[in-house]
Amino acid sequence: KAGVTQTPRYLIKTRGQQVTLSCSPISGHRSVSWYQQTPGQGLQFLFEYFSETQRNKGNFPGRFSGRQFSNSRSEMNVSTLELGDSALYLCASSSGYYTGELFFGEGSRLTVL
Amino acid sequence: AQKVTQAQTEISVVEKEDVTLDCVYETRDTTYYLFWYKQPPSGELVFLIRRNSFDEQNEISGRYSWNFQKSTSSFNFTITASQVVDSAVYFCALSEARSGGGADGLTFGKGTHLIIQP
Repeated sequence: KAGVTQTPRYLIKTRGQQVTLSCSPISGHRSVSWYQQTPGQGLQFLFEYFSETQRNKGNFPGRFSGRQFSNSRSEMNVSTLELGDSALYLCASSSGYYTGELFFGEGSRLTVL
Repeated sequence: AQKVTQAQTEISVVEKEDVTLDCVYETRDTTYYLFWYKQPPSGELVFLIRRNSFDEQNEISGRYSWNFQKSTSSFNFTITASQVVDSAVYFCALSEARSGGGADGLTFGKGTHLIIQP
């Protein structure tokens, strides 16, 4: 079974730009969650999508948004990038019927200059 | 608000030693889930175990064991006869159940960097 695939793996942007990250969940999984990992704040929950609907949201500003497509693939977007947005963005998939076992991708490492 | 504390930032032991990673959590809910994840240098978080709040049985899986004690709000993780391949950052996490099904996003501790020296 293919794992969770995130693209791109690495990217560099400048302040004020926007970025879109993509996540392909494990086949058959309907839930996709996004997490931000930074050295200072650690791992923080961004949002979760299930069947194309945002089901849960963390405490992040509106510059962070996401969506899920009918094939369960998900994208997250960060607009007006700030230096503090530099982080590893992790996507996790699950069946969506809560078992708690999230399968994570290797992440997209974003550097904002 | 929920909170997970991993007081040990970094632990270094020599191979074959036993090591325990501590995790203390805070939650007001009676129904919640606790997890341990391993993050090797590649960055991918690897699921190790899930426990719900109604199941206080300890669990053993090979060299890994977990001790869940609601009385002290702790969910500690022990690696017996550690190996170099166990070197990684280990995260404890908590999720509260939601009345409509599913659960809130995971609240992670800051992680413990475990170094196993040969």
